[in-house]
Amino acid sequence: EVRLLESGGGLVQPGGSLRLSCAGSGFTFSSYSMTWVRQAPGKGLEWVSIIGTDGGTFYADSVKGRFTISRDNSKNTVSLQMSSLRAEDTALYYCAKKKMGNNPFDDWGLGTLVTVSS
Amino acid sequence: ETVMTQSPVTLSVSPGDGATLSCRASQSVSSNLAWYQQKPGQAPRLLVYGASTRATGIPARFSGSGSGTEFTLTISSLQSEDFAVYYCQQYNNWPPLTFGGGTKVEIK
Repeated sequence: EVRLLESGGGLVQPGGSLRLSCAGSGFTFSSYSMTWVRQAPGKGLEWVSIIGTDGGTFYADSVKGRFTISRDNSKNTVSLQMSSLRAEDTALYYCAKKKMGNNPFDDWGLGTLVTVSS
Repeated sequence: ETVMTQSPVTLSVSPGDGATLSCRASQSVSSNLAWYQQKPGQAPRLLVYGASTRATGIPARFSGSGSGTEFTLTISSLQSEDFAVYYCQQYNNWPPLTFGGGTKVEIK
């Protein structure tokens, strides 16, 4: 059974930093691209970033230059380092596994909540 | 950026009736279109990918169709567990990967 468990969320002041982690199990972690998707309270889904099996990365314009995605295949984890946080970054952050090939996200974690507020 | 527009925003349906949800892309996404279901307090769940292929374990009452810029998710005979928010997502023209704003299917 695929399991994705996010951690690291919390309350942070504007301009601050936070590091989210996602631990995967039940699949060959190194063989899958991994992504972060966020959902502001009461709003829809917004893609944030993705990291490929080769370590290649892409970001939404709204977070480019402020967020960094990385992966550690030896620990089956993907991380999202967030800096210069803004109120509009407040959201539930989901980690998801991308289905192999040119496909969408077939497994999701339960999310970790990030609140940016003074 | 490929903008995804879903309609209607809210759909009121009686249990046992069918529902048709629409998703339009601002440019062609070929068949690289997915549908997700999200219930309150839960993570999204992949329902359909490739515009019409049901994901593992998804009941046959869910069916997707379309290509290019116009897509439809049809739910035949809604069950109580089907009342949720549905999102479409394109994965043809990225980055960025983009989602529609969602359609809430509520009990009439």
